[in-house]
Amino acid sequence: SQTIHQWPATLVQPVGSPLSLECTVEGTSNPNLYWYRQAAGRGLQLLFYSIGIDQISSEVPQNLSASRPQDRQFILSSKKLLLSDSGFYLCALSRGNTEAFFGQGTRLTVV
Amino acid sequence: QKEVEQDPGPLSVPEGAIVSLNCTYSNSAFQYFMWYRQYSRKGPELLMYTYSSGNKEDGRFTAQVDKSSKYISLFIRDSQPSDSATYLCAMSSRMDTGRRALTFGSGTRLQVQP
Repeated sequence: SQTIHQWPATLVQPVGSPLSLECTVEGTSNPNLYWYRQAAGRGLQLLFYSIGIDQISSEVPQNLSASRPQDRQFILSSKKLLLSDSGFYLCALSRGNTEAFFGQGTRLTVV
Repeated sequence: QKEVEQDPGPLSVPEGAIVSLNCTYSNSAFQYFMWYRQYSRKGPELLMYTYSSGNKEDGRFTAQVDKSSKYISLFIRDSQPSDSATYLCAMSSRMDTGRRALTFGSGTRLQVQP
């Protein structure tokens, strides 16, 4: 069965510091991978999606970037964090036609 | 106007009650409809998945889609305290299948009181 590993679970970072969140997938090959952000009281906002190695599409302009150096690895990064980057970040993969299977998320607080 | 509207709640019900959760949407191209359950500080987990209009039942859960009204519902029978969570609706269209990303509602927080 498919498994998504996300780490860390919780992160507190100062404004202006860099960020690297990693997501790795097991139990499947060539998945579509996604990064979502969930703000308090709001739905999930799609940030990036990837259909393959080094193939990244950005959904919204922002202070973040994503990379997929390996088939089962998806990384979310920032060079300088802003306060507005705080939120709950979720990695997901698509399964079947449209289902999404989520990792357990990283709660980022920028202080 | 948001593509998907969902009442944030919280919705508080007594144990054993029938719960009705709803979403409305504006994009008539949506064909795939899903409900996710999200416990606090956890990732969402898929509960129900339906294609096009109609009903689908799975144990205590029933998903209903009315495409003519652009309205979907999730019913929970004999609700339990363990059902307390945030419920997110999600949907996508055939045109999205290239990236297969979903459009989510903001979620409804449900509290089932013992």
